[in-house]
Amino acid sequence: GAGVSQSPSNKVTEKGKDVELRCDPISGHTALYWYRQSLGQGLEFLIYFQGNSAPDKSGLPSDRFSAERTGGSVSTLTIQRTQQEDSAVYLCASSLARSNPTYEQYFGPGTRLTVT
Amino acid sequence: GENVEQHPSTLSVQEGDSAVIKCTYSDSASNYFPWYKQELGKRPQLIIDIRSNVGEKKDQRIAVTLNKTAKHFSLHITETQPEDSAVYFCAASPNAGNMLTFGGGTRLMVKP
Repeated sequence: GAGVSQSPSNKVTEKGKDVELRCDPISGHTALYWYRQSLGQGLEFLIYFQGNSAPDKSGLPSDRFSAERTGGSVSTLTIQRTQQEDSAVYLCASSLARSNPTYEQYFGPGTRLTVT
Repeated sequence: GENVEQHPSTLSVQEGDSAVIKCTYSDSASNYFPWYKQELGKRPQLIIDIRSNVGEKKDQRIAVTLNKTAKHFSLHITETQPEDSAVYFCAASPNAGNMLTFGGGTRLMVKP
């Protein structure tokens, strides 16, 4: 079946502009996660949605970052007034419900964001 | 919060040799420990995971061990092949389905 998809695959933007990154999780997956991977670095947790519960926003680096998940499916990560340090690959992942023993997180291909 | 340390950051081995990557974690509440492989320019993919109710798990050439008392877990790859070359990430999570805290990654190079 279809995996996690993300769009766009690449985004170049000027400093100060807003950007929106989209994630389509695997159908039926109730949990959705956003991570950030800077060049040559590990993955940094940003935000986590689980079903209809309030999202865990503890990883968002500043109030310029926000995310929504509409209808329990598609998610959008928005970065306002982008800065050069926001340049990274933004990865989305999804998994089955917490109560399901198979809770592997499946990653999307990522969106490479470059802020000039 | 959780902190995961991973060593070494780079590892070079000859084809056929074994490779070992080690991780330590700080939160004793963590009970799920996956390992992801990321090839250049591609998405991370789960290769093996272990839960806190077991001490070791094996899948063909790959094995993971967990020592909850010492708060460390390791990835072992035997009979390495050039296609094993990639960046490997360990991670820890306090609950099933919760967000993951990742280690910094290990770049494994397998020389033919």
